[in-house]
Amino acid sequence: ETGVTQSPTHLIKTRGQQVTLRCSSQSGHNTVSWYQQALGQGPQFIFQYYREEENGRGNFPPRFSGLQFPNYSSELNVNALELDDSALYLCASSLYLVGLSTDTQYFGPGTRLTVL
Amino acid sequence: DAKTTQPTSMDCAEGRAANLPCNHSTISGNEYVYWYRQIHSQGPQYIIHGLKNNETNEMASLIITEDRKSSTLILPHATLRDTAVYYCIVRVWGGGGADGLTFGKGTHLIIQP
Repeated sequence: ETGVTQSPTHLIKTRGQQVTLRCSSQSGHNTVSWYQQALGQGPQFIFQYYREEENGRGNFPPRFSGLQFPNYSSELNVNALELDDSALYLCASSLYLVGLSTDTQYFGPGTRLTVL
Repeated sequence: DAKTTQPTSMDCAEGRAANLPCNHSTISGNEYVYWYRQIHSQGPQYIIHGLKNNETNEMASLIITEDRKSSTLILPHATLRDTAVYYCIVRVWGGGGADGLTFGKGTHLIIQP
């Protein structure tokens, strides 16, 4: 158990709809990263939030957006859902401090999204 | 981040040490080696990381070669619950950067009873 929680566990949507996934970070962490994992593939980095701002982004279109709240929890929003968005969505929290040479990301259990 | 190469799959007998290799020949001086594992349909689990010295924790040991171009994750006494996909990741951390972890295909480790 990492202390990172995600909701909901499973979700079914239809093409064109919008979805919001939620993540609560581990106590003491200030950074949240989101990943998409298609079936049979490794997780792909979507973006990272630090100090309530997007701090880095992978190769995902703008219809993937997010928020980070003052308590460091985060949301991932996906608009105009496509069939290929069906995947396991993972969030990971970590502690970033200026001068720290590295951080370690701890993952939640994921949200399984199915787009029909 | 440097690319990693891992075997697609490996078998190991229960109770024996599982040694998982990883090649990262283009690793640079400020890149760490991280290992995660993922049991089917669960979130990846952090195992261990290192820069150049060997590391050990309650889960595993990480052996990094002197030239840092390869490493080995060692699970000292494998159990059936260690069956998972193991990912070796090298990650630069320059302070202030915000890059995600780059997962490859990993090694599917199967522990045989």
